[in-house]
Amino acid sequence: GAVVSQHPSRVICKSGTSVKIECRSLDFQATTMFWYRQFPKQSLMLMATSNEGSKATYEQGVEKDKFLINHASLTLSTLTVTSAHPEDSSFYICRAGGGFGGELFFGEGSRLTVL
Amino acid sequence: AQKITQTQPGMFVQEKEAVTLDCTYDTSDQSYGLFWYKQPSSGEMIFLIYQGSYDEQNATEGRYSLNFQKARKSANLVISASQLGDSAMYFCAMTHGSGNTGKLIFGQGTTLQVKP
Repeated sequence: GAVVSQHPSRVICKSGTSVKIECRSLDFQATTMFWYRQFPKQSLMLMATSNEGSKATYEQGVEKDKFLINHASLTLSTLTVTSAHPEDSSFYICRAGGGFGGELFFGEGSRLTVL
Repeated sequence: AQKITQTQPGMFVQEKEAVTLDCTYDTSDQSYGLFWYKQPSSGEMIFLIYQGSYDEQNATEGRYSLNFQKARKSANLVISASQLGDSAMYFCAMTHGSGNTGKLIFGQGTTLQVKP
């Protein structure tokens, strides 16, 4: 089946720095990318949806200037957490949409810790 | 608006027994898809089973079956012959329509613990 690769799997950064998370679809064209955030023991909350070549659409309450999403190609989307703070520490996971059929493809997730 | 509700934050089951994880949903769409995912402590999302809104038969995948009650808007997951490796968090989720480019929304999740 299709594979979506996400990295880094774990990242620790200092407060105030920016962190970039990459999500790559390895064998299909991801026309749509979804980014989720998950706090411990909680559900996955959709942050934003991006279509290749277009600006991302953010869910209510998600700061678009803080969580920058780029989807410049059909195989790569990035999420940049700018000026990270400890409250941004979370598990971030991408889901790629596209290709054929209805199967859903998730990245492996990235665990961000902001000190 | 679509909504998924899982009312069981935590469940225990004895090894080799069956367990049912509840899921109800709300949508005004006629075409939608229902999913169940398993999320172990590693965080990866493991697909378990899918039910389309127009599917008349309940979906089954090995030890997993989905009890689809369309009129009640419920999509409960039944795990038969529980194994220790089934201990994880389980999410019910829903998409609008078919295909994989629609939004996927998740329920709150149920943490399942299988006792030896």
